[in-house]
Amino acid sequence: EVQLVESGGGLVEPGGSLRLSCAASGFSFGNSDMSWVRQTPGKGLEWISYTYGTGGTIYYADSVKGRFTISTDNADRSLSLQMTSLRAEDTAIYYCRSWTSQVDVWGQGTTVTVSS
Amino acid sequence: ETVMTQSPATLSVSPGERATLSCRASQNVSDYLNWYQQKPGRAPRLLIRGASIRATGIPVRFSGSGSGTEFTLTISSLQSEDFALYYCLQHIHWPWTFGQGTKVEIK
Repeated sequence: EVQLVESGGGLVEPGGSLRLSCAASGFSFGNSDMSWVRQTPGKGLEWISYTYGTGGTIYYADSVKGRFTISTDNADRSLSLQMTSLRAEDTAIYYCRSWTSQVDVWGQGTTVTVSS
Repeated sequence: ETVMTQSPATLSVSPGERATLSCRASQNVSDYLNWYQQKPGRAPRLLIRGASIRATGIPVRFSGSGSGTEFTLTISSLQSEDFALYYCLQHIHWPWTFGQGTKVEIK
């Protein structure tokens, strides 16, 4: 079964850091493009980062550029998002997403709350 | 940034009726346009890719059309499980951007 499972969400204070992980199974991880997408009631769905080819291609939305870092570990079949200098507006549900062999796969989401 | 504008914000439809949802891009996105369905507490689910290609397992009552800046998602005969939020996504100009969504509700 093709599956993505996120972990690492939680409550963090403004200015703090958090690392999200996404474990992939059931597909060829190394040949997939991988992304992080977040969702808030106010801003809706926002595509915040994309990577393909074991880090050969990486994009960030302006809202997270310089603060978030996307990375993949092919041996571990995992995608990560290192988040630093967190702000209240980063509060959201974070989804891991992959596109592989014309199949669109999303994780169940992990919630990040930035608050003091 | 490419702004995606969906209309209407809410669509009230009776079961069995047709629903037509619109999505407009602020610049040409060719056919790099996906449609997603989302239900409460769930991740988005791909319905249509490439503006008009149904994703695997999607019923034939869902169809997409359009190219460039104007797109349409049509649900030919609404079933109870189709009442949900629908989003369009352009994925040709970074950052990829979603519309704000259309809620399809029971009339």
